[in-house]
Amino acid sequence: GEQVEQLPSILRVQEGSSASINCSYEDSASNYFPWYKQEPGENPKLIIDIRSNMERKQIQELIVLLDKKAKRFSLHITDTQPGDSAMYFCAASDRNNAGAKLTFGGGTRLTVRP
Amino acid sequence: NAGVIQTPRHKVTGKGQEATLWCEPISGHSAVFWYRQTIVQGLEFLTYFRNQAPIDDSGMPKERFSAQMPNQSHSTLKIQSTQPQDSAVYLCASSLRQNTLYFGAGTRLSVL
Repeated sequence: GEQVEQLPSILRVQEGSSASINCSYEDSASNYFPWYKQEPGENPKLIIDIRSNMERKQIQELIVLLDKKAKRFSLHITDTQPGDSAMYFCAASDRNNAGAKLTFGGGTRLTVRP
Repeated sequence: NAGVIQTPRHKVTGKGQEATLWCEPISGHSAVFWYRQTIVQGLEFLTYFRNQAPIDDSGMPKERFSAQMPNQSHSTLKIQSTQPQDSAVYLCASSLRQNTLYFGAGTRLSVL
């Protein structure tokens, strides 16, 4: 099955700087790559996703990049704020419809220092 | 919309006892997933159903774990003869389209 590696596992940045999280996957059939944010005591929530027909997607301060050849994708948070402090999980899926399972990376604990 | 509802929120069992976890997906969602979350392993896929039918249980420890979805409004995850290593947060999620998973708050299982 699919394997997703996520690095770094811990990331500390200064408020206002950028934070980058990198993921790699193994299955070339994967075509959907979401990112979930999990705040302490909360459930994971989708924050942004990208499909294999795109290389870049941006929603406000969130940018995701996808390199299909290298089987890598990344999340970049620009102008980080303390509220961005959370666990972040990348995931990959090989189906583009409801019901396909997501394989998650190990997670990145992001801390934004004021 | 109350979101995905999981009960109980916390469950404490003794080693060797049985634990049943409940999930009510978002109404109208066609797929239900079970994941297990631990600090060491992260988010591990266990099993999922689509339109109530079991599709993939490749993540389930075969001997003691079982999952059912008897109707479209709820799913259960049963762990027999619980062991300390089963301690984790068990997350249920449902989805309607395009792979977006909506997670419940989870059930924290502690096996003493």
